[in-house]
Amino acid sequence: AQSVAQPEDQVNVAEGNPLTVKCTYSVSGNPYLFWYVQYPNRGLQFLLKYITGDNLVKGSYGFEAEFNKSQTSFHLKKPSALVSDSALYFCAGMFSGGYNKLIFGAGTRLAVHP
Amino acid sequence: EPEVTQTPSHQVTQMGQEVILRCVPISNHLYFYWYRQILGQKVEFLVSFYNNEISEKSEIFDDQFSVERPDGSNFTLKIRSTKLEDSAMYFCASTPGGREKNTGELFFGEGSRLTVL
Repeated sequence: AQSVAQPEDQVNVAEGNPLTVKCTYSVSGNPYLFWYVQYPNRGLQFLLKYITGDNLVKGSYGFEAEFNKSQTSFHLKKPSALVSDSALYFCAGMFSGGYNKLIFGAGTRLAVHP
Repeated sequence: EPEVTQTPSHQVTQMGQEVILRCVPISNHLYFYWYRQILGQKVEFLVSFYNNEISEKSEIFDDQFSVERPDGSNFTLKIRSTKLEDSAMYFCASTPGGREKNTGELFFGEGSRLTVL
């Protein structure tokens, strides 16, 4: 079955340190992969996407993600975390045959401490 | 910048009552979606809608749920007889085209919080 997994419920990082939020996927074929962020009591905001081409994609607010086909991963990264990055992050996939729907991971809460 | 708008932002209802959540997708978009998120948990797909009909629905989307595009702008989600477990944030989303035609993301509204008492 097609799925997206986020193995960490929460990630804690100190401000200024690099951060990584992990995502893996399970699918046959070539997925489209996305990261969304959700701030408290807000909707989902698009951060970045991988469709094809360069495995390293850059997105909003200094975030980037690396598509790794051999490891079926799409980890979100940022070189230097900010307190304002604290939010709920969702990895999502759009898979062929899925009628264009997004399948979300369970979400990872990122807490950046001063 | 065009955006997806949802109303109401918050609705409180009694169990068994009917609820209609409204969405105005981005005007040139063709695919519409409803998703549900229970109390900051996983975002779950409910239904997708294209060309005035449902293209896919999840197991959650049972006979209590229905969607409609009553005019050229609105896209509604109706819950016929609400249950306590329907309490959630409901997100509407739209996208210009299908996966093959559109490599873009889904555009989400801010959500409608439904509280069933």
